[in-house]
Amino acid sequence: DAKTTQPPSMDCAEGRAANLPCNHSTISGNEYVYWYRQIHSQGPQYIIHGLKNNETNEMASLIITEDRKSSTLILPHATLRDTAVYYCIVIGGTSYGKLTFGQGTILTVHP
Amino acid sequence: GAVVSQHPSRVICKSGTSVKIECRSLDFQATTMFWYRQFPKQSLMLMATSNEGSKATYEQGVEKDKFLINHASLTLSTLTVTSAHPEDSSFYICSARGKLNEQFFGPGTRLTVL
Repeated sequence: DAKTTQPPSMDCAEGRAANLPCNHSTISGNEYVYWYRQIHSQGPQYIIHGLKNNETNEMASLIITEDRKSSTLILPHATLRDTAVYYCIVIGGTSYGKLTFGQGTILTVHP
Repeated sequence: GAVVSQHPSRVICKSGTSVKIECRSLDFQATTMFWYRQFPKQSLMLMATSNEGSKATYEQGVEKDKFLINHASLTLSTLTVTSAHPEDSSFYICSARGKLNEQFFGPGTRLTVL
């Protein structure tokens, strides 16, 4: 599976949009981009995933560049409860769903 | 999203004892479950893939005789840490794979071996 690169930490003001970038320049055509987050001392939570089209659900939006080499997770109105470690993971059909977690981005939402 | 539970949430045991952790998918059937381990300030590390009705597949470096996995039904997988030692103290997390390949994680079990 393709490797991902994320900034180690980001800050965001409460109520503003949080835009979390992820680089996956070696992604192949059948690999999906998944985003999870982990709040302290809890299990990770699935947020969203996509292949090449932009996706939106009740939690977030996922913007994937046309060349698919990077993506951005957008939390439109960040709250204090969105403070967590956010993981961008690329997985393909041959991985059978196995997730390889990197170090992720620590997002801190402040008042 | 789908709900996955783990039991117990926290366990403290003496060195040399065995500890069993249960992972249940509460509102869906999961043919595949995964077990992860997370040490403080580190990311999750996949330990093994648990498939219903067959033997688990372990990641490199994970001792299968020490971490026994049983996936006897479509809603239950168990991880038994045998002869636990202080270095096995960690946060153990399971997940169950959904229809779209997304994974739903349990809340985790914090194991402390004295």
